[in-house]
Amino acid sequence: DAKTTQPTSMDCAEGRAANLPCNHSTISGNEYVYWYRQIHSQGPQYIIHGLKNNETNEMASLIITEDRKSSTLILPHATLRDTAVYYCIVRVSTASKLTFGTGTRLQVTL
Amino acid sequence: DVKVTQSSRYLVKRTGEKVFLECVQDMDHENMFWYRQDPGLGLRLIYFSYDVKMKEKGDIPEGYSVSREKKERFSLILESASTNQTSMYLCASSSGTGIPKDYGYTFGSGTRLTVV
Repeated sequence: DAKTTQPTSMDCAEGRAANLPCNHSTISGNEYVYWYRQIHSQGPQYIIHGLKNNETNEMASLIITEDRKSSTLILPHATLRDTAVYYCIVRVSTASKLTFGTGTRLQVTL
Repeated sequence: DVKVTQSSRYLVKRTGEKVFLECVQDMDHENMFWYRQDPGLGLRLIYFSYDVKMKEKGDIPEGYSVSREKKERFSLILESASTNQTSMYLCASSSGTGIPKDYGYTFGSGTRLTVV
């Protein structure tokens, strides 16, 4: 699986959009981009995934660049409950093993 | 909702004890996983299983074994617990391979194990 690079930490004001970047410059054509988050003392939670096209669900939007070498997770209106560590993972869909990096610690403040 | 249930939230065991961590999922998922999480090291894969009675080593299998006798249950065994196995243990499950609308892993809430 391709390696990903994320900033160690980010801050965001409550009510504003949180934009979390991820670099995956060695991604292969059959690899998906997945995002998970882990709120303190809980197991990681699936957020969204995509291959080439931008994706949106009730939790977030995923923007993938045309060359697929980077992506951005967008939380449109961050709340205090979105404070968590966010993991960007690249994975071949047919391969079940997920490898987690150290992620981005997002702090949402009043 | 998919549920992955880990039998204990907190556990304290003595050095040398045999420890069983149990995980049960209710979505008929083929794949199950055990991770441990330590500060500064993130989540590391210990073992995983693609099917009943099948198991494969992850990145850090030493000191652990697993058992999957039924599809819904995946047990992690510490044969002789040591203090360096004090950690948060997380179980996860996922559906079969090659499914475009694969929603990834579902994790349990974790078991915080302390070995004294």
